[in-house]
Amino acid sequence: EPEVTQTPSHQVTQMGQEVILRCVPISNHLYFYWYRQILGQKVEFLVSFYNNEISEKSEIFDDQFSVERPDGSNFTLKIRSTKLEDSAMYFCASTPKQGSNYGYTFGSGTRLTVV
Amino acid sequence: AQSVTQPDIHITVSEGASLELRCNYSYGATPYLFWYVQSPGQGLQLLLKYFSGDTLVQGIKGFEAEFKRSQSSFNLRKPSVHWSDAAEYFCAVNQAGTALIFGKGTTLSVSS
Repeated sequence: EPEVTQTPSHQVTQMGQEVILRCVPISNHLYFYWYRQILGQKVEFLVSFYNNEISEKSEIFDDQFSVERPDGSNFTLKIRSTKLEDSAMYFCASTPKQGSNYGYTFGSGTRLTVV
Repeated sequence: AQSVTQPDIHITVSEGASLELRCNYSYGATPYLFWYVQSPGQGLQLLLKYFSGDTLVQGIKGFEAEFKRSQSSFNLRKPSVHWSDAAEYFCAVNQAGTALIFGKGTTLSVSS
């Protein structure tokens, strides 16, 4: 069964540093998403991406964050100048079409720890 | 504003017993409804989904859920729980063109 792949599985970074979280969505999917889950809290929507541009973003997704599809397979989330409160599990997801008749396929996540 | 409520933070059931996890939503129209499961250290796996039609939907791993419009609920059930079902369960909702919104999750523990 096709999978969404995320790397790394765990990243530790110092406060103020930049991090890039990587995702390889399912190959024929067109819509891509980032979510995060702070420990003990619910999964929160960050951003959706389609046709090489952001289609929707939450209030969490401020100027500190950016997304990019640098090539035909990768989808990245960049966090500039990380803060302690950015520590969370970050999930990438993809769907073939918006409207989720298909449900979202999530990756296994990247646990980001900011120290 | 749209919201999803999972009233139970933590539930413990005995192995072999039946299970019901509650989910209520607040949405402007009938949303698409989902249940996801997250095992420790793992990603989110889709258990089942509801878009329209039969209000009782079957999913993987023997789970089912029933959509009740009058109660704005989409409760997850399983007739006989196995120890491997211990995990975090998330209810989620959206509509076409909108982001998926998750509830806070219910942790299921299974006792022997």
